[in-house]
Order: sequence, then structure tokens, then C-alpha cells
Amino acid sequence: DVKVTQSSRYLVKRTGEKVFLECVQDMDHENMFWYRQDPGLGLRLIYFSYDVKMKEKGDIPEGYSVSREKKERFSLILESASTNQTSMYLCASSGGRGRSKNIQYFGAGTRLSVL
Amino acid sequence: QQPVQSPQAVILREGEDAVINCSSSKALYSVHWYRQKHGEAPVFLMILLKGGEQKGHEKISASFNEKKQQSSLYLTASQLSYSGTYFCGTESETSYDKVIFGPGTSLSVIP
Repeated sequence: DVKVTQSSRYLVKRTGEKVFLECVQDMDHENMFWYRQDPGLGLRLIYFSYDVKMKEKGDIPEGYSVSREKKERFSLILESASTNQTSMYLCASSGGRGRSKNIQYFGAGTRLSVL
Repeated sequence: QQPVQSPQAVILREGEDAVINCSSSKALYSVHWYRQKHGEAPVFLMILLKGGEQKGHEKISASFNEKKQQSSLYLTASQLSYSGTYFCGTESETSYDKVIFGPGTSLSVIP
């Protein structure tokens, strides 16, 4: 089974702090994604990566950056956390071949509260 | 652009049927369906590719009408375990490999 592990389930930070959310997958997937999930808005794509050291902006990248130094690890960085970044953050990965290559496997999520 | 899902929420009694719809303004290559139970990660249910196919798994099936850029998820004889939020995800023909998720449909099955 594919396993996507997010380092923290719950995180509380203060406004202005630098925040790191870590995600690791164990299936050698090429693609990794960061989403935020808010009530009524569903899953919105922040950043994604198709390869090591490669990153692409998603639909809501403002206030975030990412790092992918190794294939299995994709980090989301909030340079200066703000209260409007309080949300559930989900990491996902995809890979493989054929029809299944874009199926996404999600981590359990990190609920971040910025005070 | 985010696909539209309807209804936003639905409450069913065990054994009843439900349909969840997903529509996009873009020409689609594929539609994905995922379910997220409360406090858990979204889990993949099925993928439908361009070609108007219909897929099913036990009592959950889906259709994809590429001309109308729509997909529907059918839940038959619902069980308590079907409760959760259902998301559709769409891949457009011009943005292949990037899945855009809808806002979700909350489904509650009660005894």
C-alpha cells in the first residue's frame, strides 16, 4: 500500500513564525502535491512538483513556498505565518503507469492554527 | 477552474440511493472520485477516462459524459459506511496531469 506521511497532525503557531510542513511518500512517486482544505472550498492546490528540485505553482501559491530536495520528501513552507493560513493542509503523491498514474494518494493532513 | 458539485450536502436513510454530480467548464480528459471520512485522508474511489465510460464497484458506480463535461457518482442501497465527503477531481485536456478538485458533497447516511 502507498503510504504518505505528514509529520504533524496538529500544529499551533504564532503570526509571523516560519512554519515547515513535511511530507514523505514511500512509493517512489514522481509527483507530489500540497493542498489546503477549507469548509465549502474543497481541496485547493498550493504547489506541486513533478521531479526533484522542480516545483510549479498551483492555484493559491501566495504566502507559501516549497522544497523538494529528495524524491520522497516534499516540504511546504510558510515564510511568515498569518491567521488566514489557519487551515487543514493535505499532501498527496501520484505516479505509476497507465491509467493509474494520476491517482492521488493523500496523507492524513496537518491541521494548522495560526494565532 | 474548479469543477462544480451538486448537491452540497445530502442526508440519506440506509438503503436509499443518491446521485452526486460534477461538472466542468473545460474539456475533460478524466474525472476522479474520492471519498473522505471525517478526520481521515481522502481515498481514491475510481477514475473515468475520456470515452464516456461507466465504472462501478459493488454499489458505487459512476458515469462520464465528455460532451457535457459532466460526471455522476451513483450510490445504490447506501450503507452507514458511505458517509463522508465526496470529491470529484478533473483533469482537463489542456492541463493534463493536474487534477482540480471540486468543493465536495457531504453525504450522511443515518439508520
